[in-house]
Formats: sequence, structure tokens, C-alpha cells
Amino acid sequence: QKEVEQNSGPLSVPEGAIASLNCTYSDRGSQSFFWYRQYSGKSPELIMSIYSNGDKEDGRFTAQLNKASQYVSLLIRDSQPSDSATYLCAVRAQGAQKLVFGQGTRLTINP
Amino acid sequence: DADVTQTPRNRITKTGKRIMLECSQTKGHDRMYWYRQDPGLGLRLIYYSFDVKDINKGEISDGYSVSRQAQAKFSLSLESAIPNQTALYFCATSWTQGRGQETQYFGPGTRLLVL
Repeated sequence: QKEVEQNSGPLSVPEGAIASLNCTYSDRGSQSFFWYRQYSGKSPELIMSIYSNGDKEDGRFTAQLNKASQYVSLLIRDSQPSDSATYLCAVRAQGAQKLVFGQGTRLTINP
Repeated sequence: DADVTQTPRNRITKTGKRIMLECSQTKGHDRMYWYRQDPGLGLRLIYYSFDVKDINKGEISDGYSVSRQAQAKFSLSLESAIPNQTALYFCATSWTQGRGQETQYFGPGTRLLVL
């Protein structure tokens, strides 16, 4: 079992709809969770971080964390073509010194 | 100016050659990382360093070595390049924060092709 798993996609969503990206992790002691966006040929950039159960909202983005079920999700409301990218989930276990990344989900927003 | 820079941005080399990828940062961060990215495999950690005297292996360090010449510089070397080291390489930086809260900032990447 991979430490951090994401559906590789591609996930296709119509413009204006809600895009939902999911990530599961295997280490129950994980404490820090991050979503990075990566445009084709570019470097990853952080868009959300979440550390406690529940929802965290930032503009059109909402991160949701459920530690009991060991998953973290990212919702993108009012999806725009510019949201088309690969989204990487990253997890840090408690006491760990490094992040573990999922393989990424490729998201396409269709005009 | 970019906060995290990588040189070269693209490199083509031959099997058996030694090459070095360089990373510099002006963010004043203490932590630096080298990752490689392959299609469908996400980012995999090669080496990381939490200060000039600290070097740690990541999950795929075989065939690679690193040098932390200064707080702002972290170099990755391929001693004898092989074709399966063809990948996109990223340097990243972060600073020490409590409770696992940390943001990693990535450089623009180096695309390496080993023939």
C-alpha cells in the first residue's frame, strides 16, 4: 500500500462546477496535510495546508480533513479553466522530518 | 528575481558521465531538499538537509550524492549517470516551524535526459 494515494485521473469537470479531489494516507499518526498545484512543465506551488479535522476555506478552495477515515480532500468551487493542472497531496507523519507526496490527480476544467 | 533558482534548466548527458545540478535560494531558509519527478509517480525525495552540517538520505538516494556548500546552496550530483535517471528534478526549501507546519517552496526544475 502506498503511503499517500490519489486517483491519477484525468478528472474532467465543466466550468463553473465543483471539482473534488481526494487523497488517502496510510500512517494514522500523520498530522500535517498539504495540497500543491502543478501546471504542466512548472513547479509545484502550495495552495492549501490543513492540520486539524474539519474544513478550511480559502477563497474558492476548501480543504477537508478526516483523520479517523484517513483522508483529505480539496474542493474547488466555481471551477475555471485556469484551475486545470495536476494537484499533489502531501502528508507529514507525526515526528517525521519530510513530506510524502501522492502521485497527483490531473484535473481538466472544460469551458 | 526568483527566490529558488536551479541551474541548468535543461541538460542532456550521456551514460556514465558525472553531472551536477545546482540550487540556490535567497529566502533565508534553513531546510533544502532534492526531489525527482517521473510521470505517474509524483515527487520522490532524494536527499534533504536541515542545515549546512546535516545531510540525510531520502527514499531514492542510490546513484546520487549531495553537497550543502552554504545555507543558500545545495547541489545534487549524479556520479555516473544512467538512462533511468532521466527525470524532472526539483529543489525545494523551507524553514523550521513548530508542530509540523511547514511550507516547501520549489525551484523551477531541471529537466535531465540521460542518453
